[in-house]
Amino acid sequence: NAGVTQTPKFRVLKTGQSMTLLCAQDMNHEYMYWYRQDPGMGLRLIHYSVGEGTTAKGEVPDGYNVSRLKKQNFLLGLESAAPSQTSVYFCASRGHDRDGLISNQPQHFGDGTRLSIL
Amino acid sequence: GQNIDQPTEMTATEGAIVQINCTYQTSGFNGLFWYQQHAGEAPTFLSYNVLDGLEEKGRFSSFLSRSKGYSYLLLKELQMKDSASYLCAVRDSGGYQKVTFGTGTKLQVIP
Repeated sequence: NAGVTQTPKFRVLKTGQSMTLLCAQDMNHEYMYWYRQDPGMGLRLIHYSVGEGTTAKGEVPDGYNVSRLKKQNFLLGLESAAPSQTSVYFCASRGHDRDGLISNQPQHFGDGTRLSIL
Repeated sequence: GQNIDQPTEMTATEGAIVQINCTYQTSGFNGLFWYQQHAGEAPTFLSYNVLDGLEEKGRFSSFLSRSKGYSYLLLKELQMKDSASYLCAVRDSGGYQKVTFGTGTKLQVIP
């Protein structure tokens, strides 16, 4: 029962470095999301995907890129890390709604990646 | 877009009942979720409302009034382990059905 798995759990980067956060889900979910959570700001959507090979921008996409080459994986990339990207990053997935009229499927979250940019 | 308001912090006594309110303004509504998040952990799903009224799940209940843009989460027989943040999230009615989260209410349960 792995659910949603994020790697790594912790990382410290220097300004200008690049890295990729990996999210993997084993629930055959269509939808996947990347959020960041900062104190007093709540969860903010960075990018999302509605299926394999698709990606779209969320509320705060600048400085991030994503890819969904396989249905079970959703990668978040930081090309040139900045201190403002210090945050806790959560990945989530959601399955198709079972009722065509009511959207009742919740998001399932990974344990988060704590990223510090110095 | 969505605008969601929740109290920042609340304190309640073990064994008591606490109500956490959430108000929202939205351009389109397609459901409201409550999540629980313990410090340093991932959010976990608690409840979902899309129609007006009360949904009950054990010690937790959630209420929705769409006309008022209002929901509450009711926690009964509070336990120390209920100390956590409670996130209200609203799904819109657009094609993607985007979910917007409130900033969360940090609940502290005291003996």
